[in-house]
Amino acid sequence: DIQMTQSPSSLSASVGDRVTITCRASQSITSYLNWYQQKLAKAPKLLIYAASSLQSGVPSRFSGSGSGTDFTLTISSLQPEDFATYYCQQSYISPHTFGQGTRLQIK
Amino acid sequence: QVQLVQSGAEVKKPGASVKVSCKASGYTFTSYNMHWVRQAPGQGLEWMGIINPSGGSTGYAQKLQGRVTMTRDTSTNTVYMELSSLRSEDTAVYYCARFGSGKHLDYWGQGTLVTVSS
Repeated sequence: DIQMTQSPSSLSASVGDRVTITCRASQSITSYLNWYQQKLAKAPKLLIYAASSLQSGVPSRFSGSGSGTDFTLTISSLQPEDFATYYCQQSYISPHTFGQGTRLQIK
Repeated sequence: QVQLVQSGAEVKKPGASVKVSCKASGYTFTSYNMHWVRQAPGQGLEWMGIINPSGGSTGYAQKLQGRVTMTRDTSTNTVYMELSSLRSEDTAVYYCARFGSGKHLDYWGQGTLVTVSS
């Protein structure tokens, strides 16, 4: 199975900060990398697919980059509603494994 | 609009089985695969498996092989996930999610809490 490793596991930041979360795959997944946001007790929400494509309706302050094994999710200017947990997921091959998550908290 | 509506919460005893449903609407049911993902309390997301609603073919996470069965009913646009021989570690929220054309999970059900307790 492909292992997905996110860093950091948790992060404290302030409104207006620029934040970057990284995700590393244990082998190449080309660009089959998705990012999800999950707020407490809610279903995950798709933010970015195919490493860098912004899902419809998602604010442009969210962006993704990378290919192969190394990927990043960047939030250019944190807003109060962005404090949540973020997960990466590879959809290159089954099982479609998730990263362990990054909890973004208010500083 | 696309909607995935799941069945309600369940409480089961160890060793029992549970069957969770996910009713799809707002799109052509047989055109998109459906995935199941679960989340234990305070934990991350765990991919469970996939079903092709058109032909019914499935693929499961290795750790669940032999205990999980995913099926579909094309007459009601519903997919089902059945998990047998339940253990306390199976206590989780179970989600169905549509696999979009860009190979991503673009729509999710609201989640179904399954509690396994004696």
